[in-house]
Amino acid sequence: DAKTTQPPSMDCAEGRAANLPCNHSTISGNEYVYWYRQIHSQGPQYIIHGLKNNETNEMASLIITEDRKSSTLILPHATLRDTAVYYCIVRIYNQGGKLIFGQGTELSVKP
Amino acid sequence: NAGVTQTPKFQVLKTGQSMTLQCAQDMNHEYMSWYRQDPGMGLRLIHYSVGAGITDQGEVPNGYNVSRSTTEDFPLRLLSAAPSQTSVYFCASSARTGREQYFGPGTRLTVT
Repeated sequence: DAKTTQPPSMDCAEGRAANLPCNHSTISGNEYVYWYRQIHSQGPQYIIHGLKNNETNEMASLIITEDRKSSTLILPHATLRDTAVYYCIVRIYNQGGKLIFGQGTELSVKP
Repeated sequence: NAGVTQTPKFQVLKTGQSMTLQCAQDMNHEYMSWYRQDPGMGLRLIHYSVGAGITDQGEVPNGYNVSRSTTEDFPLRLLSAAPSQTSVYFCASSARTGREQYFGPGTRLTVT
């Protein structure tokens, strides 16, 4: 699985968009970008995933660069409940239950 | 559906003791996994299973055993507990054609 690099921490004002970057310069053609988050030591929660097109769901948007070497997770209107550690993971789609986590980005949403 | 359940929630062991962490899911998922999370770190994969009777090692398998006799259950056995195994343990499951893993609430284990 390709390695990912994320900033260790970020702050965001409540109500503003939170943009979380991820570098994955060694990503292979068949690897997807997944995002999970972990709120205060709970089990991680799936957010979104994508291959090469931008994706949007009820939680977030995922923007993947054309060369696929980096991506950005966007929380459009961050709330205090979005304070969490966000993990960017690169892997082959549904690869047998394996997720390789990095250090993630600790997002603090402030009032 | 209860989703992914884990028992116990908390456990204290002495060095050398053995125990089994239980994990069950009621979503008929083929894939199940065990992770550990040490303070300030991301999760690390211990063992995983792609179906009943099939298991494989993850990143940090030493000191742990697993088996998968049913689709629903995936217990994790600590053979001889060591202080280095003090951690929070998460179980997860996913469908073969699913996009996401569902995680349990975790078991907090302390080995003294």
